[in-house]
Amino acid sequence: SQQGEEDPQALSIQEGENATMNCSYKTSINNLQWYRQNSGRGLVHLILIRSNEREKHSGRLRVTLDTSKKSSSLLITASRAADTASYFCATAPEGAGSYQLTFGKGTKLSVIP
Amino acid sequence: ETGVTQTPRHLVMGMTNKKSLKCEQHLGHNAMYWYKQSAKKPLELMFVYNFKEQTENNSVPSRFSPECPNSSHLFLHLHTLQPEDSALYLCASSQVTYRDSNQPQHFGDGTRLSIL
Repeated sequence: SQQGEEDPQALSIQEGENATMNCSYKTSINNLQWYRQNSGRGLVHLILIRSNEREKHSGRLRVTLDTSKKSSSLLITASRAADTASYFCATAPEGAGSYQLTFGKGTKLSVIP
Repeated sequence: ETGVTQTPRHLVMGMTNKKSLKCEQHLGHNAMYWYKQSAKKPLELMFVYNFKEQTENNSVPSRFSPECPNSSHLFLHLHTLQPEDSALYLCASSQVTYRDSNQPQHFGDGTRLSIL
């Protein structure tokens, strides 16, 4: 069954606005990762947050994790046209020895100049 | 992003053809992955190799055959594919340690495969 599930499926905002995407998952995790994918390209890792962390920042990105609600959010502040892409969350299972990341279907973000 | 290179970028083949996808990573990683990305579906993990040994095979049909000759190269051999196999095939790599197997993965730009 699908682990990470992003919400909304699509988001359209004006340049300069903030964009918030959410991810929900079902089972216990070691960490949760966010990736970006531009059209026709591979995924690019953005940020990793571990299960014992609640918030993490990287430049204009802010990620929160609520393990009690099994959810995470990705906030992109002061969005730019270049942020237009699909964003995926991926969960890494608890326990050592498994390399499998489970990805959601993604949120398609459009930033209008 | 450079570091993981996939060839070819596009491939059109008939159902009876045999072809291979190639992936090469220049990051010194010890784990490599094949994923399938279809429209409106989550990214599906197909195979995982760690130190050249296959560690996971997620119930992938035998018409897909992976090969990992060394920790830098990964192939996906294709034969008698079906139209539903048309998708973007992504290769990724990561550095795996005993204590922390779930490190960020670095992806190539994929091979867009179309089955006629």
